[in-house]
Amino acid sequence: DVKVTQSSRYLVKRTGEKVFLECVQDMDHENMFWYRQDPGLGLRLIYFSYDVKMKEKGDIPEGYSVSREKKERFSLILESASTNQTSMYLCASRGGIALDYGYTFGSGTRLTVV
Amino acid sequence: SQQGEEDPQALSIQEGENATMNCSYKTSINNLQWYRQNSGRGLVHLILIRSNEREKHSGRLRVTLDTSKKSSSLLITASRAADTASYFCALFKAAGNKLTFGGGTRVLVKP
Repeated sequence: DVKVTQSSRYLVKRTGEKVFLECVQDMDHENMFWYRQDPGLGLRLIYFSYDVKMKEKGDIPEGYSVSREKKERFSLILESASTNQTSMYLCASRGGIALDYGYTFGSGTRLTVV
Repeated sequence: SQQGEEDPQALSIQEGENATMNCSYKTSINNLQWYRQNSGRGLVHLILIRSNEREKHSGRLRVTLDTSKKSSSLLITASRAADTASYFCALFKAAGNKLTFGGGTRVLVKP
């Protein structure tokens, strides 16, 4: 089975800190995604990457950046954490050219910014 | 908006009953997917239906898609307590390589 592993299950950070959320997948997938999930707002796409060193903005990229130096790892960076970035963050991956595959999600990182 | 809208927002049924939830959308899609999320966890892919398909089955799951009405339904037959979760429809559009999610339906299956 494809596994998508997010490094932390729960994280508490202070306002202004630089925060790194790590995501690793083990199935050689080209596409990787970062979403945030908030009550009443559902899942919203922050950034995605379809290849190493490639990145595309999603629907809510402000305040975030990403890094994909290796195919298996996709990092989400909060440059200066703010309380409105308190959320559940979900990483996902999908295999390459084929469009008819579902996404595999990690277990999520619940980030609290205080 | 490309986001799907799900109905109902919440559903409570007895074990053994069927659960039906619906998803409506406004734009053209390449495929529509359904996911399950147990409380506080990641999403699990359940089933994918292509835009040229009308119905698909997987175990106790049945999905229909009506592209003329831009709507889909997910039926869970003979529900079990373990089916208690939130269910999301997600719309995939190849242009843009993006999957966008609806707000979800919370399903409670009472033993």
